[in-house]
Amino acid sequence: NAGVTQTPKFQVLKTGQSMTLQCAQDMNHNSMYWYRQDPGMGLRLIYYSASEGTTDKGEVPNGYNVSRLNKREFSLRLESAAPSQTSVYFCASIAGLQETQYFGPGTRLLVL
Amino acid sequence: EDQVTQSPEALRLQEGESSSLNCSYTVSGLRGLFWYRQDPGKGPEFLFTLYSAGEEKEKERLKATLTKKESFLHITAPKPEDSATYLCAVQASGTSYGKLTFGQGTILTVHP
Repeated sequence: NAGVTQTPKFQVLKTGQSMTLQCAQDMNHNSMYWYRQDPGMGLRLIYYSASEGTTDKGEVPNGYNVSRLNKREFSLRLESAAPSQTSVYFCASIAGLQETQYFGPGTRLLVL
Repeated sequence: EDQVTQSPEALRLQEGESSSLNCSYTVSGLRGLFWYRQDPGKGPEFLFTLYSAGEEKEKERLKATLTKKESFLHITAPKPEDSATYLCAVQASGTSYGKLTFGQGTILTVHP
């Protein structure tokens, strides 16, 4: 099992450009999450999907949209990138009764 | 609002020098407290989940404990490979499934 995978690993954008960050999990998990991690701020929840077909806002949703394409895939879209969105983005999915979140390797995004 | 504060921000130890990391939390009913390890350039890796005050869990040189207001991650006789950022997160009861609030992390460096 690959666990949680994310693409791309690194991306540079210019202000105003759009892009989609991809996330997939092969653990048959129902719930998936998108976080951003900034120095001194910890991990902050952007959006989550409790189950296929549902999505909800997290702590910092402004400037982002998400799509739960199917049970395996959960994508994050930046419609018009801003320098404030320079960050490391992590996708996670949840397992079993312990509610352990398993994280992907991250996407490093630089917006110029 | 749920809050998690970790201390110290950074900790430098000599190999074999035992110490503890602290995670203080404020939450309206604790559903679970999670510890993760994060290596540079990688996603968080799950270590422990604690559910109730008095609970303890161990894994190799690490031991996590929980009280009603804080959790400690004790590191016994650390080795250089224990160097990483350690993240604490809480899940409040009544929140949507899997939503976590993270602390800022403690950067641990173990010198040989």
